[in-house]
Amino acid sequence: SQKIEQNSEALNIQEGKTATLTCNYTNYSPAYLQWYRQDPGRGPVFLLLIRENEKEKRKERLKVTFDTTLKQSLFHITASQPADSATYLCALRTDSWGKLQFGAGTQVVVTP
Amino acid sequence: EAGVAQSPRYKIIEKRQSVAFWCNPISGHATLYWYQQILGQGPKLLIQFQNNGVVDDSQLPKDRFSAERLKGVDSTLKIQPAKLEDSAVYLCASSSLGGNQETQYFGPGTRLLVL
Repeated sequence: SQKIEQNSEALNIQEGKTATLTCNYTNYSPAYLQWYRQDPGRGPVFLLLIRENEKEKRKERLKVTFDTTLKQSLFHITASQPADSATYLCALRTDSWGKLQFGAGTQVVVTP
Repeated sequence: EAGVAQSPRYKIIEKRQSVAFWCNPISGHATLYWYQQILGQGPKLLIQFQNNGVVDDSQLPKDRFSAERLKGVDSTLKIQPAKLEDSAVYLCASSSLGGNQETQYFGPGTRLLVL
């Protein structure tokens, strides 16, 4: 089955710096990969989607890369702010019906 | 546009009791998902509906969990009897097109504690 690995340790970063999160996967070639944000006590919120034929996607201060050879996606938050503190989940589409498999998430803590 | 609604937000029960969760997806969304999220883990898909038909329930423990989607709109997820390991957050999500639509919109979840 698909295995998805994200940094298990929390990422502590100073305001204004760039946070970089990693998502590695095995045993599958997903049509696309998504990143979601989850705040405590809330459901995940969709941030970005990147398809297998795309190398990079940007949205405001967020950037996602997708390397299907390495089976890895990197998620960057530039000019980080305390409001960016949350858990970030990567998710892979694993079938034609749009079924998603999620990683465990990486917690990001941005300090002023 | 109203988001995905779930109730109750919290539930505490004793093991072997039964419990039910309700979800109202975003209006017009054909696909509805139920996920289980155990503390420290990512959401795990339990069941996926397209309209009122089941697309995937391969990870649903069918001996104790059941779900239905009435008239292709609201959905209920039931656990009977509950076990200690069912303590988790149960998330409902919906998306606008069957299968091929990418973005899933999540509700706030129901936090279940089984004692």
